[in-house]
Amino acid sequence: GQQLNQSPQSMFIQEGEDVSMNCTSSSIFNTWLWYKQDPGEGPVLLIALYKAGELTSNGRLTAQFGITRKDSFLNISASIPSDVGIYFCAGVYGAQKLVFGQGTRLTINP
Amino acid sequence: DGGITQSPKYLFRKEGQNVTLSCEQNLNHDAMYWYRQDPGQGLRLIYYSQIVNDFQKGDIAEGYSVSREKKESFPLTVTSAQKNPTAFYLCASSGTGSIGMYTFGSGTRLTVV
Repeated sequence: GQQLNQSPQSMFIQEGEDVSMNCTSSSIFNTWLWYKQDPGEGPVLLIALYKAGELTSNGRLTAQFGITRKDSFLNISASIPSDVGIYFCAGVYGAQKLVFGQGTRLTINP
Repeated sequence: DGGITQSPKYLFRKEGQNVTLSCEQNLNHDAMYWYRQDPGQGLRLIYYSQIVNDFQKGDIAEGYSVSREKKESFPLTVTSAQKNPTAFYLCASSGTGSIGMYTFGSGTRLTVV
C-alpha cells in the first residue's frame, strides 16, 4: 500500500529556534497536507498544498509541495511553547482517502 | 458550532467483549472515516463511508465493523475478533470540494483489560 516516510521522528529544541521536517513517498500525490495533533486530541489541519512546487504559509508555518510530487516539507519559525505536539504529513489518494506519515514529535525546552 | 463528536473519551473493555464507539457530525459532510493510532505510528484507515448506507474497508478492517444508517453518524464496533484492540481511535469527516481536508473528532482511547 501507500507509505509515507516522515523525518525526523522526534525533535527537542529550544524556544525560539526554527524547525524543519519532511515527508517522502515512493508514490506521487496530487495533494499534500500537514496536520498537528495535541496530546489526547484529534489532528488539526495546518496547511494544504495542491500544486507541485507550491510554497504556502500560515503564520510562522511554511510548507512546500515538492516538484517531483513525492515529497513535502514543513518549517516552523521562531518556535513557541504551544508548537509542542505531533506533526503529521498526509497524501491524498483515491476518493479523498489519506495516507499519513509516522509523525514528528516536537518538544520545546523553554 | 459545527463539529464532530466522539464518545466516550475513554473506554475500558474486557477481553472477548464487543464495544461500540460513537461518532456524530453536524457538518453536513458526506464522507466519514475511522482511523486507528498506535504510539509512534501514523494513523491507519479502518473503514470509510462516502455516502449513507455504503462503506468500504480500509487497510486494517479485520476485527472491526461499521454502519452508516444516517449521514450524521458512523459508529465503529470493535469485535472480540480484533486481536490487539487497545489503541486511540479517531473519527473524521470531509465534505465535497475540500480535497483531503478532514475534520477530526477528539478521539476515543480504548483499553482492553
